[in-house]
Amino acid sequence: NAGVMQNPRHLVRRRGQEARLRCSPMKGHSHVYWYRQLPEEGLKFMVYLQKENIIDESGMPKERFSAEFPKEGPSILRIQQVVRGDSAAYFCASSPSSNDPQAFFGQGTRLTVV
Amino acid sequence: GQQLNQSPQSMFIQEGEDVSMNCTSSSIFNTWLWYKQDPGEGPVLLIALYKAGELTSNGRLTAQFGITRKDSFLNISASIPSDVGIYFCAGRNAGNMLTFGGGTRLMVKP
Repeated sequence: NAGVMQNPRHLVRRRGQEARLRCSPMKGHSHVYWYRQLPEEGLKFMVYLQKENIIDESGMPKERFSAEFPKEGPSILRIQQVVRGDSAAYFCASSPSSNDPQAFFGQGTRLTVV
Repeated sequence: GQQLNQSPQSMFIQEGEDVSMNCTSSSIFNTWLWYKQDPGEGPVLLIALYKAGELTSNGRLTAQFGITRKDSFLNISASIPSDVGIYFCAGRNAGNMLTFGGGTRLMVKP
């Protein structure tokens, strides 16, 4: 059973471009969380999704950021018109269901905006 | 939003020493999770706690879910160099939201 897969591992974008980060949860997991981590800092919650639904997006900036978790395929975190301040590591975690509280993380995508 | 206060922020200890770190919150959580993150990697789940008062071990690691459901601690016994990393606590509430503490950076001197 493969773990949580994130790709790409590293992503370089110029200011103003779009960044698309993908997260394939563990098999059988229907809950996905996205977190952002700046160097030397902790994990900041961004968004919590279940299949086809956004449950909580209170940690996600209202402008330029969006997330989806379609019925088929990976969860996508999309950042439009990236700025230097978006440079960070973005992690996703998945869990099986609301009855199983364990959450497992991917290895992250390190976004660098130049 | 919910806040988790994790302490200490960093520790520099001698190999072989025991380590203790904790998390406190003003909110109640249904589950406490402890993770370790190595440089350049994602957090790895170490221990999950499901009931108030629960004490769980995983090798040299022991964690407890506080009786008030607002705190948890993690102990590492007889530390070794590979224990180096950042340890995060996380609390999960009834709405399945997972909130993280700020992390404890552990450094071990051989």
